[in-house]
Amino acid sequence: ELKVEQNPLFLSMQEGKNYTIYCNYSTTSDRLYWYRQDPGKSLESLFVLLSNGAVKQEGRLMASLDTKARLSTLHITAAVHDLSATYFCAVDQGAQKLVFGQGTRLTINP
Amino acid sequence: GAVVSQHPSRVICKSGTSVKIECRSLDFQATTMFWYRQFPKQSLMLMATSNEGSKATYEQGVEKDKFLINHASLTLSTLTVTSAHPEDSSFYICSARDVQFRMNTEAFFGQGTRLTVV
Repeated sequence: ELKVEQNPLFLSMQEGKNYTIYCNYSTTSDRLYWYRQDPGKSLESLFVLLSNGAVKQEGRLMASLDTKARLSTLHITAAVHDLSATYFCAVDQGAQKLVFGQGTRLTINP
Repeated sequence: GAVVSQHPSRVICKSGTSVKIECRSLDFQATTMFWYRQFPKQSLMLMATSNEGSKATYEQGVEKDKFLINHASLTLSTLTVTSAHPEDSSFYICSARDVQFRMNTEAFFGQGTRLTVV
């Protein structure tokens, strides 16, 4: 059974700082996704990582995937308040099913 | 990007009544759609896989007679919560993938439906 674990689950940081969210998964997969969720809203797709070594960047966010280590990271550079949200990683289980991590609730303080 | 539309966004119903939630893929065809449930401050839990033209596949612990899923066309899946109880109150989210890009497609999510059973 595929398990996806994120850490930390809660992260409070100051604007301007850098931080990384980690996503570990238990079985082989070469497709991993990062989503953002604002309170009361659905999921917004951030990154689709499809191969080992994939790295994608959008603004202050950068995601990477190491399929050998079964690890993905979401790095936040010079955080701003607008990035406050809950971030989920999700891994393809097969048959198009996604298994989600627990989510990381990120709060960025001015 | 592809759009998945979910309706209604919010619904309040009385205990014992049924509620239908619709999920539509607006600009692509989806042979498979997924229904998730999310409790406050928790992650998404897959409830069932909706298959066009055939029966849905339910995850372990999900009552198929309570959560009726119909996938009548390549662009529409519905979830009906029957005989709703307060414990069914939750945020329900559907997702779909474009069948034409099976190998490297991402899942697109509907806006979600906040169900409150009183």
